Amino acid sequence: DAKTTQPNSMESNEEEPVHLPCNHSTISGTDYIHWYRQLPSQGPEYVIHGLTSNVNNRMASLAIAEDRKSSTLILHRATLRDAAVYYCILRNQAGTALIFGKGTTLSVSS
Amino acid sequence: KAGVTQTPRYLIKTRGQQVTLSCSPISGHRSVSWYQQTPGQGLQFLFEYFSETQRNKGNFPGRFSGRQFSNSRSEMNVSTLELGDSALYLCASSPGRPSTDTQYFGPGTRLTVL
Repeated sequence: DAKTTQPNSMESNEEEPVHLPCNHSTISGTDYIHWYRQLPSQGPEYVIHGLTSNVNNRMASLAIAEDRKSSTLILHRATLRDAAVYYCILRNQAGTALIFGKGTTLSVSS
Repeated sequence: KAGVTQTPRYLIKTRGQQVTLSCSPISGHRSVSWYQQTPGQGLQFLFEYFSETQRNKGNFPGRFSGRQFSNSRSEMNVSTLELGDSALYLCASSPGRPSTDTQYFGPGTRLTVL
């Protein structure tokens, strides 16, 4: 399985943008890049996913490098509610399950 | 729509016992996956069911088993419980095969083995 590498932790202030990086140098052409997050005492929740082009939704933006070996999840204005563990996951159409790494623990200060 | 529900939310068992956990997916979802979360190992995939058939299995011993019913509800069973089975067990559902479909997670069942 293609692996992802994320920083263990990051800190941000409320109202500021947050850029969460993910390296996936062994990504294959059919792998989608998914992001999930897990708030304290809750199950993970879907954030966003993409294949090649940058993606935006109401929660976040996903910027994918041209060679697809890395990507960045962008939270445009962090809130206290965004404090969570963020997981970057590669998935292909062969039906693989979600393979979670350690993720990045995001702390947000007021 | 109601979200994924898991019962019970908390459970305490002793070593050697067995346990059955239940998961009700979002209405209309046909796929259910199970995950185990522990502080040491993080989130690990257990198995995936689609249309009552196990489609995928993680690297867990045979003591861990599951099934899916015709209404898509799923149960997982752990026999001969060990202390190391203490964990949060999460269930996730998706409309179709979870290859690229978004998975929607339940709140989990917290199992403590004494």
